[in-house]
Amino acid sequence: GDSVTQMEGPVTLSEEAFLTINCTYTATGYPSLFWYVQYPGEGLQLLLKATKADDKGSNKGFEATYRKETTSFHLEKGSVQVSDSAVYFCALSGSGSRLTFGEGTQLTVNP
Amino acid sequence: GAVVSQHPSRVICKSGTSVKIECRSLDFQATTMFWYRQFPKQSLMLMATSNEGSKATYEQGVEKDKFLINHASLTLSTLTVTSAHPEDSSFYICSASDRGKNNEQFFGPGTRLTVL
Repeated sequence: GDSVTQMEGPVTLSEEAFLTINCTYTATGYPSLFWYVQYPGEGLQLLLKATKADDKGSNKGFEATYRKETTSFHLEKGSVQVSDSAVYFCALSGSGSRLTFGEGTQLTVNP
Repeated sequence: GAVVSQHPSRVICKSGTSVKIECRSLDFQATTMFWYRQFPKQSLMLMATSNEGSKATYEQGVEKDKFLINHASLTLSTLTVTSAHPEDSSFYICSASDRGKNNEQFFGPGTRLTVL
């Protein structure tokens, strides 16, 4: 079945550091890929998505590129801020709208 | 657009009582709604999928008689935790999707349930 593997956390960075959170997936067919962000005590917010190979999703300075050859969708940001502290989930959607989530990566950014 | 609300945001109840959580799509018609459970520092676990007007499809290991799901309209789904026990304490999140929005899921803010 479908699965998503995320880089284990927690990740702690200083403000303005470069961020990478790795995500790889296993799926049949051509899934859509997503990154969601969850702030403390809240639900999930869609951060970015990509629906086909080589697509790049971007939002709020975050980027991720759909790499079919490596089955990856790594999240990157060039300069993190304290307000980026949250849990980040990688997810895929195969046929229909069912989502398969990774385990989540806790990011803490210190001033 | 595509806003999903949940009510209540927090609920505390005594063991043995039932609790109802509402999930509403505010500005679109949700043909499908999903209910997730999230334990501290863990990922979301899909509990069930419901389509408007039909019975919910429960994931393996989820007790359908304990977690009653009703999707009576295109904008409302409810999750009732019956005879709640402390081990049911968790963060419950719903999401809604619509074929007209490419089946993308839009998430509610979650409900924190604490059973004493």
